[in-house]
Amino acid sequence: DIQMTQSPSSLSASVGDRVTITCRASQSISTYLNWYQQKPGKAPKFLVHAASSLQSGVPSRFSGSGSGTEFTLTISSLQPEDFATYFCQQSYNIPQTFGPGTKVEIK
Amino acid sequence: QVHLVQSGAEVKKPGASVKVSCKASGYTFTTYGITWVRQAPGQGLEWMGWHSADNDIRNYAQNLQGRVTMTTDSSTTTAYMELRSLTSDDTAVYYCARANAAAGTNDYWGQGTLVTVSS
Repeated sequence: DIQMTQSPSSLSASVGDRVTITCRASQSISTYLNWYQQKPGKAPKFLVHAASSLQSGVPSRFSGSGSGTEFTLTISSLQPEDFATYFCQQSYNIPQTFGPGTKVEIK
Repeated sequence: QVHLVQSGAEVKKPGASVKVSCKASGYTFTTYGITWVRQAPGQGLEWMGWHSADNDIRNYAQNLQGRVTMTTDSSTTTAYMELRSLTSDDTAVYYCARANAAAGTNDYWGQGTLVTVSS
């Protein structure tokens, strides 16, 4: 199975800050990388597919990049509604595997 | 508007089975598969498997092989996930999601179903 790691596991930031989350795969996954946002008690929300393509309706302050084994999710100017946990997921092969998550908290 | 609505919370005893349903609407059911993901309390997301909606292609997580069955009913646009021989380790919120196998995406998710396994 492909192992996914994320860093940091949590971070504290202020509204307006630029935030970057890194996701790494244990082997090359090309750009088969998705990002999800999850708030407490809610289902994950699909943000980014194919490493850099924003899902329809996702604010443009979110962006994804990367290929191969290293990927990033960037929030250019953090908004109050962005405080959540973010998960990456590889869909290169079965089983699809998720990263452990990065919790973005209010400073 | 795409919606996936799951069945309600369940409490089961160890050794029992649970069957969670996922009613889809707002799209052509047979053109997407259904992925199942679970999340134990305070933990991350675990992919359980995937089932195509237009034929019988299924892929299950290896650690659930033999205990899980995923099915779909196109006539009612409903997907089902049955998990047998439950233990306390199966206590989790179970999610279904619409899956585009070609793109590798799970774009719309159900609200989740809490399954508690307790004696």
